Amino acid sequence: DAGITQSPRHKVTETGTPVTLRCHQTENHRYMYWYRQDPGHGLRLIHYSYGVKDTDKGEVSDGYSVSRSKTEDFLLTLESATSSQTSVYFCAISETRDHSPLHFGNGTRLTVT
Amino acid sequence: SQELEQSPQSLIVQEGKNLTINCTSSKTLYGLYWYKQKYGEGLIFLMMLQKGGEEKSHEKITAKLDEKKQQSSLHITASQPSHAGIYLCGADSNAGKSTFGDGTTLTVKP
Repeated sequence: DAGITQSPRHKVTETGTPVTLRCHQTENHRYMYWYRQDPGHGLRLIHYSYGVKDTDKGEVSDGYSVSRSKTEDFLLTLESATSSQTSVYFCAISETRDHSPLHFGNGTRLTVT
Repeated sequence: SQELEQSPQSLIVQEGKNLTINCTSSKTLYGLYWYKQKYGEGLIFLMMLQKGGEEKSHEKITAKLDEKKQQSSLHITASQPSHAGIYLCGADSNAGKSTFGDGTTLTVKP
């Protein structure tokens, strides 16, 4: 299994509070991604990174920011959590931009009350 | 943008039966991936297809990409309870991104 660890695995937070989710990989892959998975919407890309300090927005980036200061760590921050951000968040990594599969972490279940 | 449509949305089969899941793209596929997800877990990569007409197998699961590279099928032979889960297809799209189908939920009744 690809070495991808997400933390925390579960979190409950209140509306308006900042939240940071962490993704740590031991594969030295260049590309890292944050997705959210919701019933009826499937997997949607939030942000991705193609190297240290190189990040870009996905299709649902509003209300989220990311940082990648080291190859192995990719952080997702909800600046001021809202109930619409209640979701399961997955981190994924890939070796190349195209023609290589994604390897996923086990997810973080976030509930915003 | 590229869209992937999976069918059926859900499937209930008796153990030992064969089944097929389809994934249809609105555009030519340059990389098609099949993943499996169990409840509460992340997606596990199953197979990657790139060439028209390509077919790959792993244990009792076979995936094919049609010649026109716009449709893929996942076939499970002699299904077992361990095959239960959600199957998703994914495709390379813009740089560094992937798009996914909505998934097919498979239940295998013993």
